[in-house]
Amino acid sequence: SQQGEEDPQALSIQEGENATMNCSYKTSINNLQWYRQNSGRGLVHLILIRSNEREKHSGRLRVTLDTSKKSSSLLITASRAADTASYFCAPLDQGGKLIFGQGTELSVKP
Amino acid sequence: DGGITQSPKYLFRKEGQNVTLSCEQNLNHDAMYWYRQDPGQGLRLIYYSQIVNDFQKGDIAEGYSVSREKKESFPLTVTSAQKNPTAFYLCASSIERGYNEQFFGPGTRLTVL
Repeated sequence: SQQGEEDPQALSIQEGENATMNCSYKTSINNLQWYRQNSGRGLVHLILIRSNEREKHSGRLRVTLDTSKKSSSLLITASRAADTASYFCAPLDQGGKLIFGQGTELSVKP
Repeated sequence: DGGITQSPKYLFRKEGQNVTLSCEQNLNHDAMYWYRQDPGQGLRLIYYSQIVNDFQKGDIAEGYSVSREKKESFPLTVTSAQKNPTAFYLCASSIERGYNEQFFGPGTRLTVL
């Protein structure tokens, strides 16, 4: 399977703590994108990191990419209850297709 | 309001019936996509379209059909040939295929009775 794999599958933390989610993939990529999905809703794009970038920041989000290890991580700092959602990494393969993994289900307790 | 809309939000179908899911976007995007999501799973690509009057099969196209007669619209028909159609269906669009972020609609939950 070309699917990306997120780790952990589920993560439960307290408000104010940091949340780290990891992603591994198998194919060569053009870029890697992270999306968020609230229960029963559509996905929302969070951040895109290009294959020649190693780190990117957006507000409380920090994404790293290691193409030699075919892995990426998403860090959410100072988490809030509103961050509770599923998070998906989606590598964009050389054919222009986004490859979604099963996601990490994040629960932030107040 | 710019965005991508899907209707209906919930859809119930009897076995043997075809149903059509609507997807409309006013973002002036060339590319549109249909994904299927099963519980606890990621998204799987059903069909995509890079431009009007063109569409290509994704990974799980069997039992589905699409059309792209207008830039704004990309309806998906779930036919009776689809063996297990109960799922959450998501439509997305992007400026062009590849490289760019995709914008998703709110989804349609289809249940076969």
